[in-house]
Amino acid sequence: GQQLNQSPQSMFIQEGEDVSMNCTSSSIFNTWLWYKQDPGEGPVLLIALYKAGELTSNGRLTAQFGITRKDSFLNISASIPSDVGIYFCAGQNTNAGKSTFGDGTTLTVKP
Amino acid sequence: NAGVTQTPKFQVLKTGQSMTLQCAQDMNHEYMSWYRQDPGMGLRLIHYSVGAGITDQGEVPNGYNVSRSTTEDFPLRLLSAAPSQTSVYFCASSYSPETGYEQYFGPGTRLTVT
Repeated sequence: GQQLNQSPQSMFIQEGEDVSMNCTSSSIFNTWLWYKQDPGEGPVLLIALYKAGELTSNGRLTAQFGITRKDSFLNISASIPSDVGIYFCAGQNTNAGKSTFGDGTTLTVKP
Repeated sequence: NAGVTQTPKFQVLKTGQSMTLQCAQDMNHEYMSWYRQDPGMGLRLIHYSVGAGITDQGEVPNGYNVSRSTTEDFPLRLLSAAPSQTSVYFCASSYSPETGYEQYFGPGTRLTVT
């Protein structure tokens, strides 16, 4: 099946720093999604990307859908302690609730 | 609006036992899915449904059954529990004209099989 490679696996940063993480796939996706998961909770959608080349922002978060449709990145600017958590990328080829997930990037923010 | 609810929150089973994980949504979503999440990994799709009476297999369906008799409910049945099924199980729903295709996740069921 399709697999997503998400990197880095973990990041330790100082409050106020910018963060960048990315996701690559061996096959194309029609939709890229970025989620955040807090401990003991389900994932929450941060940004959805529907078109190749699309750049979308949500507050301090910016994500891009790669031109080849095989990659996506997420940037977080001016990190704050509540940004701590696990960030997942996911790809979809239909809208039927079928997502393929990466293994996540664990973000730690030091005050 | 409760969103996606899952019960139980925690469960311990012995090998060979069966049980049903419950999932319900009150957003009138057409699509519902079950995922499992193992430590340090992303979510893997077990089964999904695009509407009442319609289900299909995901990436890791073996050992699990589903049915969708109503729009609101999508239970996941473990037929004969095995230690390899120890995991956190998430139910998700998506699609209505109001919410679009955004996928909403429940809080999860933490299952341990001994």
